[in-house]
Amino acid sequence: SQTIHQWPATLVQPVGSPLSLECTVEGTSNPNLYWYRQAAGRGLQLLFYSVGIGQISSEVPQNLSASRPQDRQFILSSKKLLLSDSGFYLCAWSAPGTAHNLPLHFGNGTRLTVT
Amino acid sequence: QKEVEQNSGPLSVPEGAIASLNCTYSDRGSQSFFWYRQYSGKSPELIMFIYSNGDKEDGRFTAQLNKASQYVSLLIRDSQPSDSATYLCAVTLPFSGGYQKVTFGTGTKLQVIP
Repeated sequence: SQTIHQWPATLVQPVGSPLSLECTVEGTSNPNLYWYRQAAGRGLQLLFYSVGIGQISSEVPQNLSASRPQDRQFILSSKKLLLSDSGFYLCAWSAPGTAHNLPLHFGNGTRLTVT
Repeated sequence: QKEVEQNSGPLSVPEGAIASLNCTYSDRGSQSFFWYRQYSGKSPELIMFIYSNGDKEDGRFTAQLNKASQYVSLLIRDSQPSDSATYLCAVTLPFSGGYQKVTFGTGTKLQVIP
């Protein structure tokens, strides 16, 4: 069966510091991978998605970036965090395919607080 | 108009009753519809997905889709206190390159009263 691992679970970072969140998927090959953010009391916002190694699409221009160095690894980064970057960051995967019609399965999330 | 709309609630139902959660979406090109449950502080968990008009049942859960009315609902029979959570409706919307993008509503908070 497929599993998704996301770490760290919680993170407190000062404004202006860098960020690196990592996500890995097991039990499937060539998954679609996603980064979402959920701000307090708000819905899930799609940040990035990837259909393959090195293929990243950005939904919202901001100071975040994503990379997919390996088939089942997805990394979210920032060079300098802003207060507005605080939130619950969720990595998700769906079965291979380009249509993105299939259900998303989420990791446990990282709660980021920027102080 | 929001792409996916849900009443934020809270929706309170007594234990054992049927909880009815509703969602409307704006784009007639949407192809796939999902319901997720999210407990406080946790990540969303997939409960149901439905692609065709009509009803789809899985245990105590029934998803209903009406594409003509752009309406999708989730019924929870015999509601239990453990069903108390926020329920997120998610819809795929047409995107560039022929893709569909999963877009979430802001969720309805359900409270099941013992």
